[in-house]
Amino acid sequence: GENVEQHPSTLSVQEGDSAVIKCTYSDSASNYFPWYKQELGKRPQLIIDIRSNVGEKKDQRIAVTLNKTAKHFSLHITETQPEDSAVYFCAEEGYSSASKIIFGSGTRLSIRP
Amino acid sequence: DAGVTQSPTHLIKTRGQQVTLRCSPKSGHDTVSWYQQALGQGPQFIFQYYEEEERQRGNFPDRFSGHQFPNYSSELNVNALLLGDSALYLCASSTTGPLSEAFFGQGTRLTVV
Repeated sequence: GENVEQHPSTLSVQEGDSAVIKCTYSDSASNYFPWYKQELGKRPQLIIDIRSNVGEKKDQRIAVTLNKTAKHFSLHITETQPEDSAVYFCAEEGYSSASKIIFGSGTRLSIRP
Repeated sequence: DAGVTQSPTHLIKTRGQQVTLRCSPKSGHDTVSWYQQALGQGPQFIFQYYEEEERQRGNFPDRFSGHQFPNYSSELNVNALLLGDSALYLCASSTTGPLSEAFFGQGTRLTVV
């Protein structure tokens, strides 16, 4: 069935260093891979997404890579800052007008000053 | 634009009771999805409504039901509440069609005692 595995569950990095979060998915029909950031007590917010016809996408300090053959996708945050501390969720969505979002289990990212 | 609004923000119910949660989608959105987020986990898809009908459903029992109104707002009803139903319930709205970005509400924190 549909499943998204996310690693690691917790990640602590020094401010200014890079953080990498990795996900794997099982549904070959998935075509859309969003990443959400959820701060404590707040709603999940889309920070970047990638579609299946693209291998990499970058937005300032955030980048996402996708390997459809291996069914892997990753989030890369460079030059981390204290405000990057949050829980990050990878997700996948199929190509359908009735698509549902399947979330990973989340990564709690902490930035050490 | 108020975005996606949910009410109430917090709710405490007793085991066995019934609860109704409400969601108003972002202006211009016609599709509403509901998710359950247990503490420390990723959101789990409950169901999706479009044109006042349930279009897709996740792996949740029939105690979970919903409704969509002509103005696209939606309700989530849970009957015979269990302690395990305690969670953050998130509503997400989008436009119909593939790969439409979903916008999340702040959620309703339901505690069952």
